[in-house]
Amino acid sequence: EAQVTQNPRYLITVTGKKLTVTCSQNMNHEYMSWYRQDPGLGLRQIYYSMNVEVTDKGDVPEGYKVSRKEKRNFPLILESPSPNQTSLYFCASKRTGGTEAFFGQGTRLTVV
Amino acid sequence: SQQGEEDPQALSIQEGENATMNCSYKTSINNLQWYRQNSGRGLVHLILIRSNEREKHSGRLRVTLDTSKKSSSLLITASRAADTASYFCATDPRGTTDSWGKLQFGAGTQVVVTP
Repeated sequence: EAQVTQNPRYLITVTGKKLTVTCSQNMNHEYMSWYRQDPGLGLRQIYYSMNVEVTDKGDVPEGYKVSRKEKRNFPLILESPSPNQTSLYFCASKRTGGTEAFFGQGTRLTVV
Repeated sequence: SQQGEEDPQALSIQEGENATMNCSYKTSINNLQWYRQNSGRGLVHLILIRSNEREKHSGRLRVTLDTSKKSSSLLITASRAADTASYFCATDPRGTTDSWGKLQFGAGTQVVVTP
């Protein structure tokens, strides 16, 4: 089954403790992206990647890092999480030339 | 920045009624897409309309696009309880070489369909 898989689905952590949210897709898509969703603000793009070893900032990249060492994986790293990063995070992927984005199920992160 | 703005923010209707929501955007676009999100879940692509199209249908969905007004509407006909979800428009601004890096979402319209 074609899918985008995020882990964990839920995470509660403390301020300053580094964490990684994993994202993996099995559709051989070149493009992958991370979004955060906050009430009233819709989805805002954090980072995106057009292919292996190619990443670029979205609208709200501060406080986040990403890497794209393999085509299927696109982890989101919070080196020193803060409470304002409490949010619902989505990973998405898309094939080159395609328009439809495929989304993961989301990771609800709470930073206390 | 938020390119698309949906209206209304929330909509409550009875089963069988039609649901209409609107999206306004700011810059010229290559295409506009509508996505659906069930509570707390990932978004699912519904339909795409290109900038040179004015109307598109897919099952019970009808999308219109007015590039002169920079607006789009999504109509769901004969709504069902299973249509309860949030609906988002996403725009692909003109000038990008591929519809990814700049794909931007609005805040969404929350639709509740009661039996």
